[in-house]
Amino acid sequence: EPEVTQTPSHQVTQMGQEVILRCVPISNHLYFYWYRQILGQKVEFLVSFYNNEISEKSEIFDDQFSVERPDGSNFTLKIRSTKLEDSAMYFCASSEEGTGSGPEAFFGQGTRLTVV
Amino acid sequence: RKEVEQDPGPFNVPEGATVAFNCTYSNSASQSFFWYRQDCRKEPKLLMSVYSSGNEDGRFTAQLNRASQYISLLIRDSKLSDSATYLCAPALGNNRLAFGKGNQVVVIP
Repeated sequence: EPEVTQTPSHQVTQMGQEVILRCVPISNHLYFYWYRQILGQKVEFLVSFYNNEISEKSEIFDDQFSVERPDGSNFTLKIRSTKLEDSAMYFCASSEEGTGSGPEAFFGQGTRLTVV
Repeated sequence: RKEVEQDPGPFNVPEGATVAFNCTYSNSASQSFFWYRQDCRKEPKLLMSVYSSGNEDGRFTAQLNRASQYISLLIRDSKLSDSATYLCAPALGNNRLAFGKGNQVVVIP
């Protein structure tokens, strides 16, 4: 069964450093997403990406964050100058079409980011 | 009003019993709705989509009430393996899901 894969599964970084979280979406999917979940809290939307550009982003997704699809398979989230409050589980997801039109989004297993 | 509201529980359910819970959403323009299951420190896994008046998949039944802006999930004949947090996720716009905090279900032997 096709699945979304994320690497690494766990990343520890020092405050102020930059991290890149990587995702390989399901191959025939066209929409890609990043969500995050701070421990004990709800899953929060960060950004959606379609046709090589951001289609929607939340207030959380400020200039500290960026996304990129560097090749035909990878989708990355870059976090610059990490802060302690960036510690969370980051989930990548993909869907065939936009979730508003019906198709389901499938999530990767997540990258646990710990900023120390 | 929050985008999505769920009673976090926990819902302690005897094995074999039926449990049901609701989720209310604030955006009346939402057209697609989903239930996800999340195990502790794992990713949300799609349980079922909820379209129009609802649908059923085995022991799970989801209903949508557009007038009152809520969706429900019912689990029949609960199994120990059903213990998890169930996340309600209406789609907002075309490109994002709004998640609730989830309903935690604990099935007790």
